[in-house]
Amino acid sequence: QVQLQESGPGLVKPSQILSLMCTVSGDSITSGSYYWTWIRQPAGKGLEWIGRMYTSGSTQYNPSLESRVTISGDTSKNQFSLKLSSVTAADTAVYYCARENWKFDSWGQGTLVTVSS
Amino acid sequence: DIQMTQSPSTLSASVGDRVTFTCRASLSISRSLVWYQQKPGRAPKVLIYQASTLESGVPSRFSGSGSGTEFTLTISSLQPDDFATYYCQQNNNLPLSFGGGTKVEIK
Repeated sequence: QVQLQESGPGLVKPSQILSLMCTVSGDSITSGSYYWTWIRQPAGKGLEWIGRMYTSGSTQYNPSLESRVTISGDTSKNQFSLKLSSVTAADTAVYYCARENWKFDSWGQGTLVTVSS
Repeated sequence: DIQMTQSPSTLSASVGDRVTFTCRASLSISRSLVWYQQKPGRAPKVLIYQASTLESGVPSRFSGSGSGTEFTLTISSLQPDDFATYYCQQNNNLPLSFGGGTKVEIK
C-alpha cells in the first residue's frame, strides 16, 4: 500500500522560497504509469492543482504558478519535491502530495505552510 | 482553462435522505471526472472516477453520472459518515482543476 508524507518548514517569509518534500513508500516514483503531484488548499477554500512529475521525470505545471514552481524527484530517496519562489501571503495553504493515475488515489496527510514575516 | 462549478455550495440534509449535487464544466470533458469526499483536517478521498465508476471500497450508496459538461453525484441514503465536503475534478485537460465543493451539513 503506497504512503506519502510531506515534510518541510511550516513558516516561510514573504519573497522567499517555499520548499517541501514528499517521501513515498510502498511504490517507486520511477516505475508504473503514475504522476506524482502537488495540490494545495487555502484554509476554508477549495483545491488547486500545482503541478506534477511523471515517472520519467518530465513535469507539467499550472500556468497560474508556472513561473514560480519547480517539481523534481530524488530517485535515490524515492522522494519528490516542490519549490515555490517569491511567496506571498496568498501562498499560505495546506500542501498535499499525491499519486495520480487518472485520479488522485493516494494522498499525504498534508502540511500547513504559512507565509508571514 | 476548464472551470468546474459545483452546486449547491451547501446542502442541508437528514440521515436517510437521497441527495444529489451537480458539477458543471465550462467545456466538454467527456467522462473525465472524479468525485472526492473530504472531511475536516483530512485529505480528499476518491469516491467515483470516469464519471460513474465506483472506487474500490466505497459504499454502493454513492453513484455518479453524466458526460460532457454536466455531472451528478448521488448518495442514495445519507449516512452519518457522509457529512463532509464533496469536490469534483476534471482530468481531461491541463491544468487539472477542481470544483469549489459542496458541503453536506446535518439538517
